Amino acid sequence: AQKITQTQPGMFVQEKEAVTLDCTYDTSDPSYGLFWYKQPSSGEMIFLIYQGSYDQQNATEGRYSLNFQKARKSANLVISASQLGDSAMYFCAMRVAYTGGFKTIFGAGTRLFVKA
Amino acid sequence: ETGVTQTPRHLVMGMTNKKSLKCEQHLGHNAMYWYKQSAKKPLELMFVYNFKEQTENNSVPSRFSPECPNSSHLFLHLHTLQPEDSALYLCASSQEVGTSYEQYFGPGTRLTVT
Repeated sequence: AQKITQTQPGMFVQEKEAVTLDCTYDTSDPSYGLFWYKQPSSGEMIFLIYQGSYDQQNATEGRYSLNFQKARKSANLVISASQLGDSAMYFCAMRVAYTGGFKTIFGAGTRLFVKA
Repeated sequence: ETGVTQTPRHLVMGMTNKKSLKCEQHLGHNAMYWYKQSAKKPLELMFVYNFKEQTENNSVPSRFSPECPNSSHLFLHLHTLQPEDSALYLCASSQEVGTSYEQYFGPGTRLTVT
C-alpha cells in the first residue's frame, strides 16, 4: 500500500540557517511524483517543489531543494537561509500511477518554527 | 480574480441542513479536486474530476455529492452531515491528472456541523 511518513511533528530552526524536513514514502509502482506543500496559518496550501520518480537530478526551486534518494525512498525538503515567513506546516505528498488510475497520499505534516 | 477561489470561507450547519460549497479556478486547468483536512488526520482526497468527468471517488459517504458543470467550477453538495464531518474542505486544480502536475489550492471552507 502507498504511504507517506513524516516523522518530525515539529521543528525549530534559527533564522538564516538551513533546515531539512524528512519524508519517506512507500510504493511499489514505478511511476510517481513527489510534492512538497506549505500551509501557513491562513490555511491555503502552497506548492513548493516537485520531483518525478524518473528524474535523475534533485529538484531545486529558489531556496527549496529536494534531496531525492530513490533507493532509500526518501524525499527530504531542504530550506536554505530560513526566513520568519517560512514558519508553517509542511506536507510531503505523492501521486502514484497504478493500473486502476491514480492515487494521492499526503503525509501528516511537519510544523516548522523559525526563530529570530 | 486569479488562482482558486472557494466560497463560503466559513460555514456552520445543522445535521439536517443542505448546503453547497463552491470552488472556481481561473488557471485554465483541466482537473479539479476536493480534499478534507481534519484536525488529527492527514489530508484526504475525496473526489477528482478531469474534463468535468469524475475519475476518482475515494470511498466518500453519499452525504457528500460533488458536481462539476465545467472545468472551471466544482461544487460539493452537503446533506445530513455528521459532527465528525466538521473539517477544512480544500479545493484544488491542476493542469492534468497525471503524476507530474502540481496542484493549486483554494483557501478552503471551514465547515462546522452542529
